[in-house]
Amino acid sequence: RKEVEQDPGPFNVPEGATVAFNCTYSNSASQSFFWYRQDCRKEPKLLMSVYSSGNEDGRFTAQLNRASQYISLLIRDSKLSDSATYLCVVNEAGSYQLTFGKGTKLSVIP
Amino acid sequence: NAGVTQTPKFQVLKTGQSMTLQCAQDMNHNSMYWYRQDPGMGLRLIYYSASEGTTDKGEVPNGYNVSRLNKREFSLRLESAAPSQTSVYFCASSKGNIGGNEQYFGPGTRLTVT
Repeated sequence: RKEVEQDPGPFNVPEGATVAFNCTYSNSASQSFFWYRQDCRKEPKLLMSVYSSGNEDGRFTAQLNRASQYISLLIRDSKLSDSATYLCVVNEAGSYQLTFGKGTKLSVIP
Repeated sequence: NAGVTQTPKFQVLKTGQSMTLQCAQDMNHNSMYWYRQDPGMGLRLIYYSASEGTTDKGEVPNGYNVSRLNKREFSLRLESAAPSQTSVYFCASSKGNIGGNEQYFGPGTRLTVT
């Protein structure tokens, strides 16, 4: 089975902190990469796509390292509302299917 | 624009009963998916439909059937429910471009089989 591995956490960080999550994937044929966010008892929601050159969206920065087969997500200036589980997601080239990691839980503490 | 909708939100079944979970999307997406999510297991694909008229098995298809009724609707049927099918079920849709598949999820159905 193709694997996407994440540290389950939880990561407990104070408001305003910077926190980083890493994710590794086993399938070198993977082509597209995403981070999703899932709040407790809610559906996963797309946070951002991850591009080879890296990309930034406000306080969130995603990086891809194809050679080492890992993806990272950096959250700066953490807010209470960032508390959620973050899912690393990978799409194999030529496939409609996404492979989801089990998620990393983040709790931002006042 | 409602995105992806699912019914029902909650359901309790007895072992052996059958039911159909409904899913609809209004984003004109070609591809639709059914997942289940269990504690400690993450999201696992049950079935998907790459385009209207086609369906394919995912990672955990046993005990389920699907119907792609039209471009908008994709239903999941449990013919004879078992306690192992207690889970949260999510439907998702995407444009259907191979290799560029952001998926958008419905709010989920929480199913308990006793």
